[in-house]
Order: sequence, then structure tokens, then C-alpha cells
Amino acid sequence: AQSVTQPDIHITVSEGASLELRCNYSYGATPYLFWYVQSPGQGLQLLLKYFSGDTLVQGIKGFEAEFKRSQSSFNLRKPSVHWSDAAEYFCAVGTGGGNKLTFGTGTQLKVEL
Amino acid sequence: EPEVTQTPSHQVTQMGQEVILRCVPISNHLYFYWYRQILGQKVEFLVSFYNNEISEKSEIFDDQFSVERPDGSNFTLKIRSTKLEDSAMYFCASEGRDRIPSGANVLTFGAGSRLTVL
Repeated sequence: AQSVTQPDIHITVSEGASLELRCNYSYGATPYLFWYVQSPGQGLQLLLKYFSGDTLVQGIKGFEAEFKRSQSSFNLRKPSVHWSDAAEYFCAVGTGGGNKLTFGTGTQLKVEL
Repeated sequence: EPEVTQTPSHQVTQMGQEVILRCVPISNHLYFYWYRQILGQKVEFLVSFYNNEISEKSEIFDDQFSVERPDGSNFTLKIRSTKLEDSAMYFCASEGRDRIPSGANVLTFGAGSRLTVL
């Protein structure tokens, strides 16, 4: 069965600093990988996705993620964090044929001004 | 931008009561899902629904749960006899009609319905 690990429960960065949120997955075949963001009181908003092709994917709000098969990772990055990026970030893996996503436990991002 | 709408945003109920959570998916979507997130835990898949029937369900989705699409627009999750451990945020999601041939498509999630069972 597939699984997702987000090793960092909380991360604090200063506004303007770079950000990297870690995600490792376990899945036997080529995974479909997603990053979602959840702001307080809001639903899960899709930031970006990887299905195939270019391993560096660009998303909304200036985020990007890189799929590294050799490391089973799909880390999320942003070169310069804004205070409005404070939220909870979820990595998820989906299997072919459906959207039964398996989520990680999430990383809570705090941005210091 | 089209969105998935969920009601109520928060419901408090007594243990043993029946609860219905409602969702209005994006109008031209055909695949519907319920996920839940117990406080402090992962978002978990509950059930997927297509063509008026369940296509897949998790082991969490036992006989106390049911889903239906009563009128072609709403998609509901019913919990027949709520338990304390049903307290969670329940997310509805829908998926567009044009599935990528190789598999997974993109889900649009609602803002969630927070259920508190006392």
C-alpha cells in the first residue's frame, strides 16, 4: 500500500527566506504526486501536481516541486516566502485509475515578519 | 472559478444521532469523494462515487455511513448513529469528466464540514 511521510510537523521561516518542505512517498509504481495547502477555515487547495514528464513542476503562488524517483521524494520549494503563505501543507500520492489519495500528516508553516 | 460547496460548516450533535452532510460539487463533474480529517491526524479517504454508485470505499466506511446523490446536484454523506470518534472535518471533493487516460485527475475540495459529536 502507498504511504506518504512528511517528516517536519512544524516549520518556521522568516518572510523573504526560502522554503523547502519535505515529502517522501512509498509506492510500487510511478506515483501521481500532489501538494495541497489548507489555510484556517478553508478547504484543501491544490498547489501543484506531478503525473509524468518533467520532474520539476511549477504550481500556483510561486511554488515548485521536484520529483526524485531515486530518493522517493517530492519536496516543495519556494524561493521567497510571504506572510500569506502561513498555512498547513499536505503532500499526497494517488494511484492510477482513481483519486483515492493518501495524504501525509501535514507540515504547519509559520512565517515570521 | 468553480468551487465545491459544503454545508453545514459546523455541526454539533449528540452521540447516537443521525447526521447528513451536504455537498454541491462542480456542475459538470462526474466523480465525487468524501474524505475526513480527525483533529491532528491525516486526511483519510472514505468513499468515491460515480454513476450513482459507490466505486470504492475504505475500511472506515462501514455500515453506519452512506452516500447518495438525491437530486443530481447535491451529494450527501449520512452517518446513521454517530459516535464520539466520528468527530472530524469532512471534506467533499469532485473530479472533472475528462480523466487523464493514464489515471489520476485533479480533485477540487470543499471547505469542509466540521462535525462534533458530544
